[in-house]
Amino acid sequence: LAKTTQPISMDSYEGQEVNITCSHNNIATNDYITWYQQFPSQGPRFIIQGYKTKVTNEVASLFIPADRKSSTLSLPRVSLSDTAVYYCLVGGGSQGNLIFGKGTKLSVKP
Amino acid sequence: EPEVTQTPSHQVTQMGQEVILRCVPISNHLYFYWYRQILGQKVEFLVSFYNNEISEKSEIFDDQFSVERPDGSNFTLKIRSTKLEDSAMYFCASTEAGTDSYEQYFGPGTRLTVT
Repeated sequence: LAKTTQPISMDSYEGQEVNITCSHNNIATNDYITWYQQFPSQGPRFIIQGYKTKVTNEVASLFIPADRKSSTLSLPRVSLSDTAVYYCLVGGGSQGNLIFGKGTKLSVKP
Repeated sequence: EPEVTQTPSHQVTQMGQEVILRCVPISNHLYFYWYRQILGQKVEFLVSFYNNEISEKSEIFDDQFSVERPDGSNFTLKIRSTKLEDSAMYFCASTEAGTDSYEQYFGPGTRLTVT
């Protein structure tokens, strides 16, 4: 599985847009890019998944450039409840086990 | 909305004792997983299970660990002889078959404390 690199932490204020970028230089042709969110003492929760270009759902957007060596998770107008750890995962195929890195700890302040 | 459930929420046990952690995956899901997270560290894959057998396991999942699907709903993780370093949050997850999605549904976790 491709190794991912993302910032250890980020700070933001309520109402701002937050962009978390993940590098995955060794991504393989059949790899998908997936983001999970984890609140303290809870299990990770799937946010969004993409292969290329842009994917948007009710929670976030995922931007993937043409070379796919990085991706950016965009959270519009964050609130205090978006304070969590965000994980970028890269892997191919379905039903496979997830390999988590250390994630990005996002702190949203009032 | 269907969800993965886990029991107990917190288990305290003495070193050397056996523990069984229980999970009820989402009913139409066919792939099941166990992960663990030591306090302050990253989530680590332990084992995946499909069609009543282990699909994949990590080096953490040694002979002290076993998994079972004893009936149509439960999925269990057994630790035969617990060690202090087994203290962690244990998460069960499940996903449906026939999808390209990497979306796994995680349970709320069982906090295991070994004393």
